[in-house]
Amino acid sequence: ETGVTQSPTHLIKTRGQQVTLRCSSQSGHNTVSWYQQALGQGPQFIFQYYREEENGRGNFPPRFSGLQFPNYSSELNVNALELDDSALYLCASALAIVDNEQFFGPGTRLTVL
Amino acid sequence: GQSLEQPSEVTAVEGAIVQINCTYQTSGFYGLSWYQQHDGGAPTFLSYNALDGLEETGRFSSFLSRSDSYGYLLLQELQMKDSASYFCAVSLRGDSSYKLIFGSGTRLLVRP
Repeated sequence: ETGVTQSPTHLIKTRGQQVTLRCSSQSGHNTVSWYQQALGQGPQFIFQYYREEENGRGNFPPRFSGLQFPNYSSELNVNALELDDSALYLCASALAIVDNEQFFGPGTRLTVL
Repeated sequence: GQSLEQPSEVTAVEGAIVQINCTYQTSGFYGLSWYQQHDGGAPTFLSYNALDGLEETGRFSSFLSRSDSYGYLLLQELQMKDSASYFCAVSLRGDSSYKLIFGSGTRLLVRP
C-alpha cells in the first residue's frame, strides 16, 4: 500500500499568478482534505472532498478551489496569489468523511514573491 | 468562533513523563485527535478520543473530558526521537459538512 504523495515538492510563484498543487491519496480513501501550514503554526483546514464533492470548507476565500478525481487524486488551485499564501500545503486522505486517522502527504512548499 | 489552546513549548528529560494539555471552544464537536510532526516532516496520527476517558497506545495515552472541553496527551518513557511538535485537533461535524481544526502546536524538546 503506497502512502499519500504530493507534487511538486517546492514551487516558487509571483504575486497574481495561479498555481495547481497535486495529491495522490492512498488507494481506497474516498476523502481528501487540504491544509495550509505557515511556519511555526498548525495546519489550517482549507476544505475536504468526499467522492468528488466538497464536503466542508474552512475560512479561505473562493480563490482557493479544489477537485477530486475518481482515481484517488486531487488538486488544490489557488488564483491571484498573494504574498501571504506562502506556506506548506498538505493534503491528507482518509477512508471516510469523519475518520479517526488522516494520512498526510509530505507537502508542497509554496513561495510567493 | 472556534479556538484551541495548547502550550507553545515543553521541555523534559529522557525517560520522564510529559503531559500536553489542550482546551477547546467549538461548536459541533465530534472528537479530539493528536498528531506528531517532526521538523520538515508530515503530521502523523497518534490518537483519537470521541468519548470521555483515557485511550492508551503504547507509550502514548490521550484523555478527553467533553464536559470540560479539555484533553491531554501523555507521553511516557520519553525518548530523544519524541522531540517534535504535537498538535491537538478537533473534529467538527455540521449538517452536511466536516472540519478538522488544529491547534497551534506544542514543541516538545527531550533532553538527555
